Amino acid sequence: AQTVTQSQPEMSVQEAETVTLSCTYDTSENNYYLFWYKQPPSRQMILVIRQEAYKQQNATENRFSVNFQKAAKSFSLKISDSQLGDTAMYFCALGRTNFGNEKLTFGTGTRLTIIP
Amino acid sequence: ETGVTQTPRHLVMGMTNKKSLKCEQHLGHNAMYWYKQSAKKPLELMFVYNFKEQTENNSVPSRFSPECPNSSHLFLHLHTLQPEDSALYLCASSQDQGAGYEQYFGPGTRLTVT
Repeated sequence: AQTVTQSQPEMSVQEAETVTLSCTYDTSENNYYLFWYKQPPSRQMILVIRQEAYKQQNATENRFSVNFQKAAKSFSLKISDSQLGDTAMYFCALGRTNFGNEKLTFGTGTRLTIIP
Repeated sequence: ETGVTQTPRHLVMGMTNKKSLKCEQHLGHNAMYWYKQSAKKPLELMFVYNFKEQTENNSVPSRFSPECPNSSHLFLHLHTLQPEDSALYLCASSQDQGAGYEQYFGPGTRLTVT
């Protein structure tokens, strides 16, 4: 069975600062995908960043980057120069690649508040 | 927004009612999903459809009945629900059913069962 753990239910940070959200996971698969999704208040969930497990290089998307530690099964999200629009629930998700049974397993989320 | 719409946005129903949730995607995707989102719990995958065929039923009680008439539309028919079924129900779609595909989510239906 796959599990995803987000140990920080809530976080807050001052605008323009850097914040790191943690995520650990467990899977017996060797090939899989990891995602961070963002759910702003009363708005739709959107993909922030994606990492393929076979790639050693950490994914980056503008101000968002990940620290992927495959051996430690850790996948943290770093948000640089945080903005008020970054206020949201952030979900870490793990997708396995078994043909015919692909699905995402989500963590419980971290509520991030950016303080003006 | 994301190209996935859901109606209604809010629904209050009694335990003896029958209602349906609707999801529509305008992205040309082949896979569609129903998730249940409850406070302080991980998103729970309920059903997956790929090319209109159900490929996943995650041990969901029979009081939830999905329907996928075509690749663009997905319904969730509800009957004789329990108060613990109150939650945000999210629909999502992806190009295909595969772990690497980005899922596009709708805004959700906030369901309250009284």
